[in-house]
Amino acid sequence: DQQVKQNSPSLSVQEGRISILNCDYTNSMFDYFLWYKKYPAEGPTFLISISSIKDKNEDGRFTVFLNKSAKHLSLHIVPSQPGDSAVYFCAASAEGAQKLVFGQGTRLTINP
Amino acid sequence: ETGVTQSPTHLIKTRGQQVTLRCSSQSGHNTVSWYQQALGQGPQFIFQYYREEENGRGNFPPRFSGLQFPNYSSELNVNALELDDSALYLCASSYDNYGYTFGSGTRLTVV
Repeated sequence: DQQVKQNSPSLSVQEGRISILNCDYTNSMFDYFLWYKKYPAEGPTFLISISSIKDKNEDGRFTVFLNKSAKHLSLHIVPSQPGDSAVYFCAASAEGAQKLVFGQGTRLTINP
Repeated sequence: ETGVTQSPTHLIKTRGQQVTLRCSSQSGHNTVSWYQQALGQGPQFIFQYYREEENGRGNFPPRFSGLQFPNYSSELNVNALELDDSALYLCASSYDNYGYTFGSGTRLTVV
């Protein structure tokens, strides 16, 4: 049972444009959501998070939007830069739970 | 502040063998979690250790076991290796489940 889904395995975006990565979840107990970025041969690196009491969180070029009624979140990167090329994972956790539940990842490629 | 370090980075084992993977937590962190990432998938939670006790377990069989030491470093042991155990094993440390920091992982290949 895939509780966190990233339905786009890959995404290609022109440098300078907006990248939008999507994530859907099924478990209504999830109350905290995170995005991680992963380069080859490295571990996932925390990017940005959002609590379920918010619908938007912004950090520089990165903004995460949460739509609780649709059980959907998205990560916006603007403007996209070549260094943003990586695999992006959406993850979720429930209060009191010890684990992060990850999506399958989306490979983002930024083209010059 | 040092990050999370894992060893070895790569190893190859034969089906049926046993393996031990090691993780040193980030300074100041008291919780260690282990994840398995199969090719093309997201990381899957194996278990977590808090103050040397197992504090949560994912859907993995008992042949996956672990330890946490007083200095908060940790080991993941896998017995009776199967081909499907081939994956990237990630260790993440945190302080009371806040601020997970991941290591670079150990790539295990079972042949």
